Amino acid sequence: ETGVTQTPRHLVMGMTNKKSLKCEQHLGHNAMYWYKQSAKKPLELMFVYSLEERVENNSVPSRFSPECPNSSHLFLHLHTLQPEDSALYLCASSQGVYNEQFFGPGTRLTVL
Amino acid sequence: AQKITQTQPGMFVQEKEAVTLDCTYDTSDPSYGLFWYKQPSSGEMIFLIYQGSYDQQNATEGRYSLNFQKARKSANLVISASQLGDSAMYFCAMREDSTDSWGKLQFGAGTQVVVTP
Repeated sequence: ETGVTQTPRHLVMGMTNKKSLKCEQHLGHNAMYWYKQSAKKPLELMFVYSLEERVENNSVPSRFSPECPNSSHLFLHLHTLQPEDSALYLCASSQGVYNEQFFGPGTRLTVL
Repeated sequence: AQKITQTQPGMFVQEKEAVTLDCTYDTSDPSYGLFWYKQPSSGEMIFLIYQGSYDQQNATEGRYSLNFQKARKSANLVISASQLGDSAMYFCAMREDSTDSWGKLQFGAGTQVVVTP
């Protein structure tokens, strides 16, 4: 595996389900990010982890819960989501927070 | 307020021609970075090119060049010799280097480019 990988690529869940999105970076980076891309809206930053510590929580509802167990892995735990949470969720990584970010292919989430 | 503005929602360009994608930005930070990303229909965001606010020369990467006009706060992307594989959504993004920005990228709405034979 190279670059940034995300699983699953597609996810359909009900509003009462609990699921997790996984991101893994193979670039040796020390910062990781979650972004949300909704239809007809610019990409929005959700969370930033630098050196495995959360440094930014961009006013995200508590039904989204990130976890960064080590510098290569990032999770986004989902519970009791709403239909408006349906979107493409993109993970990114960078070497230091001030360098270019490399993105994964995204998880397309549909909440029924 | 929107910090990154891309005024062209969509463009058609013929193969082998050059295309310019517009981007203007708004910041009071003296230090910032400007990025262009490409997003094909598969969804992955592909990094294309970077320009730092203190860079004296315009950035170039292969067929991509960034026309950086600091006083006008514009950072247009030029793609030379367009190829069919260039058909995608293109996003301009900015990172402000203030200490509390944590590398946050702010994206524009994007420009859909369709390259025709």
